[in-house]
Amino acid sequence: SQQGEEDPQALSIQEGENATMNCSYKTSINNLQWYRQNSGRGLVHLILIRSNEREKHSGRLRVTLDTSKKSSSLLITASRAADTASYFCATGTVRSGGYQKVTFGTGTKLQVIP
Amino acid sequence: KAGVTQTPRYLIKTRGQQVTLSCSPISGHRSVSWYQQTPGQGLQFLFEYFSETQRNKGNFPGRFSGRQFSNSRSEMNVSTLELGDSALYLCASSLAAATNEKLFFGSGTQLSVL
Repeated sequence: SQQGEEDPQALSIQEGENATMNCSYKTSINNLQWYRQNSGRGLVHLILIRSNEREKHSGRLRVTLDTSKKSSSLLITASRAADTASYFCATGTVRSGGYQKVTFGTGTKLQVIP
Repeated sequence: KAGVTQTPRYLIKTRGQQVTLSCSPISGHRSVSWYQQTPGQGLQFLFEYFSETQRNKGNFPGRFSGRQFSNSRSEMNVSTLELGDSALYLCASSLAAATNEKLFFGSGTQLSVL
């Protein structure tokens, strides 16, 4: 079952513009992670934000987390054609044995037009 | 350090056959998770192994099974293949699936069932 739902499902922007993707989830989490997937390939980890953090930056990426609304957003600034990919949010929850289970959302397909 | 290696990259099978997919995690990683990715369902969690033990299992029928060897390499098996099993199967590794760990993905095995 999906924990996260991303919005929008698809996004098309011009190079240089900012891209914002949103993720909503249903249950309490320990962290929220964002991954990127180029067509038909494996996922690459971008950034992790813990449940007690509200905002995190990494290069051109900015992630926010609102646990009261059970939502997160990923902002990519000054987008490049190479940013064209699918982006997935994933929630990390701790199981009773103390280990983490990571559940993925449905993804946002981003197209950056040169 | 070598990344997560999945073999084979592509597979074509017919209904009723069985298939075995292989995953070699990053050296030192003891947790291996498997995901099924389809266009309609996104990434669905199959199972997670740690030190040769299955710790977590998703909602898949018993036709889907896996195992992990003492060197942390993992295999998953799908018996009596159905058309709906056509998907990209992704393997991810982490040190121990501890809280706030990120996942490292392989490039996946694209399975087509005819």
